[in-house]
Amino acid sequence: DGGITQSPKYLFRKEGQNVTLSCEQNLNHDAMYWYRQDPGQGLRLIYYSQIVNDFQKGDIAEGYSVSREKKESFPLTVTSAQKNPTAFYLCASSIASGGANEQFFGPGTRLTVL
Amino acid sequence: KQEVTQIPAALSVPEGENLVLNCSFTDSAIYNLQWFRQDPGKGLTSLLLIQSSQREQTSGRLNASLDKSSGRSTLYIAASQPGDSATYLCAVGNYGQNFVFGPGTRLSVLP
Repeated sequence: DGGITQSPKYLFRKEGQNVTLSCEQNLNHDAMYWYRQDPGQGLRLIYYSQIVNDFQKGDIAEGYSVSREKKESFPLTVTSAQKNPTAFYLCASSIASGGANEQFFGPGTRLTVL
Repeated sequence: KQEVTQIPAALSVPEGENLVLNCSFTDSAIYNLQWFRQDPGKGLTSLLLIQSSQREQTSGRLNASLDKSSGRSTLYIAASQPGDSATYLCAVGNYGQNFVFGPGTRLSVLP
């Protein structure tokens, strides 16, 4: 089945820890995205990647980092510099970047700071 | 900067009722608009993608319309069912820019 997988489903972080969220797609899409969702708010873009070995900051990149070493994978690291990381994180992909292309989403990872 | 709003924030209807969800955007020079469904604790499921050159798109009991000049899109759900209960989000795409998402409308269909 083609799609996007995210792991883990739930993640708990202690203060001062870095954690990495996984996102994998087998849709052969060039573009991948990371969003953060907080209750009552729309999705906010953290980082996006248009192609392998390239990525750009979104609207709320501070305290996060990403890599894109393979077309299929776009992991997100939440660093200790992110002061309020508790949220639902969603990964998405599209054939190419930009608002001209339909986006497909993974099931999400819920991160909680202890 | 594109801003997207959705009204109402929440809606409860009895089963069988036809209903309309609204999405408004400030920059009418959009390329397309996508409607999503989100169940609690889950990812987003794409429902309909409507291109700027189209006036509407249909899928089963769902119909999305687009009026660029007024900055509005509506999602019409016919003969609602309890299984339609979810949050519905719209996302607006401008060419060369990333999608901007609305906050969503939480729908409850009561049996």
